[in-house]
Amino acid sequence: DTAVSQTPKYLVTQMGNDKSIKCEQNLGHDTMYWYKQDSKKFLKIMFSYNNKELIINETVPNRFSPKSPDKAHLNLHINSLELGDSAVYFCASSLKVGGDTEAFFGQGTRLTVV
Amino acid sequence: GNSVTQMEGPVTLSEEAFLTINCTYTATGYPSLFWYVQYPGEGLQLLLKATKADDKGSNKGFEATYRKETTSFHLEKGSVQVSDSAVYFCALSDRGYQKVTFGTGTKLQVIP
Repeated sequence: DTAVSQTPKYLVTQMGNDKSIKCEQNLGHDTMYWYKQDSKKFLKIMFSYNNKELIINETVPNRFSPKSPDKAHLNLHINSLELGDSAVYFCASSLKVGGDTEAFFGQGTRLTVV
Repeated sequence: GNSVTQMEGPVTLSEEAFLTINCTYTATGYPSLFWYVQYPGEGLQLLLKATKADDKGSNKGFEATYRKETTSFHLEKGSVQVSDSAVYFCALSDRGYQKVTFGTGTKLQVIP
């Protein structure tokens, strides 16, 4: 049973296209996140949702729009893809926000924009 | 704001060598500290954590002690194995910021 699952695992697309990445967690957690990992493995938070409400938006371009239909799902839609969007995107969840709460990560979606 | 600084990698060690990966942090409050590990092709998973000063987190032979006076949380292991080859991330979580801040990651390669 996968705790945090995201699809697809790999995504290759052309510049200018629109794409979505889906994430689901079956842990009953209240908080979900999207992180971007670049080619040097640097990990940067993009968004955080708590009980379907956006609580963190880290100066991400408007082309990125997260959607949380319920607290078990957090999808990421990207419009007008650019070369610089190529990265690995990780979804994560935690029981609650902050403190000593462990984050559980999905396996990542490797996005390649050509 | 909060920040985490890790030693640059990659770190290459022979099997059974002693490992230290340095981590220091800057935070306004009293954060919780974590080490996460990322094996090739996988997401991050929690390795160990410490929630207050002088706490020691440990797991799978790895240890790290929360040192408030030096704002450090160095990762150590007495005898590494080839299977420990991965990228290690130091991180902190501060209630005030409601998020986890990660260091840049340190790649460890253990050779037989």
